[in-house]
Amino acid sequence: GENVEQHPSTLSVQEGDSAVIKCTYSDSASNYFPWYKQELGKRPQLIIDIRSNVGEKKDQRIAVTLNKTAKHFSLHITETQPEDSAVYFCAVGNTGFQKLVFGTGTRLLVSP
Amino acid sequence: DAGITQSPRHKVTETGTPVTLRCHQTENHRYMYWYRQDPGHGLRLIHYSYGVKDTDKGEVSDGYSVSRSKTEDFLLTLESATSSQTSVYFCAIMELFNTEAFFGQGTRLTVV
Repeated sequence: GENVEQHPSTLSVQEGDSAVIKCTYSDSASNYFPWYKQELGKRPQLIIDIRSNVGEKKDQRIAVTLNKTAKHFSLHITETQPEDSAVYFCAVGNTGFQKLVFGTGTRLLVSP
Repeated sequence: DAGITQSPRHKVTETGTPVTLRCHQTENHRYMYWYRQDPGHGLRLIHYSYGVKDTDKGEVSDGYSVSRSKTEDFLLTLESATSSQTSVYFCAIMELFNTEAFFGQGTRLTVV
């Protein structure tokens, strides 16, 4: 089955710095790569996603890049703010198996 | 928020007892998922459903069973609860595969 690894597990940055979280996956047939944000005590919510026919996608301060050859994708947050503090999960979708497999999460702490 | 609710929100039960968690949606989405969330493990897929009476196992399905007799309800049953099943359980729904997954509020289950 699909194996998703996410690094780092924790990340501390100063407000205004950039943050990068990386995920690798094992199944080359996987074709959907979303990122979810979970604030403390809340449910996970989608922040950005990318499909396998696209190499990069941006939405204001966040971006996701995908390297299909190397089977990894990354979340980039620029100009971080304290409200970006949360746990971020990457996920991998595979149309063949119709399931969404998540990484282990990254706790991001943005200090003022 | 998408129309998805989980019940109960909190439950304490004794080892060896059966427990059923309910996920109810009002969105008529085809796909439904049960995840458990544990520190250091992220969100792990227990079971999922791609239609009424169509279910399949995820990566941590041992000790769990599911049923989906109606589009709107997806039940997760712990046949004989163990302390290792103490966790936060999230249900998620997805209209089309590889689109946004909407999560329920979560159920905190404690097995004593």
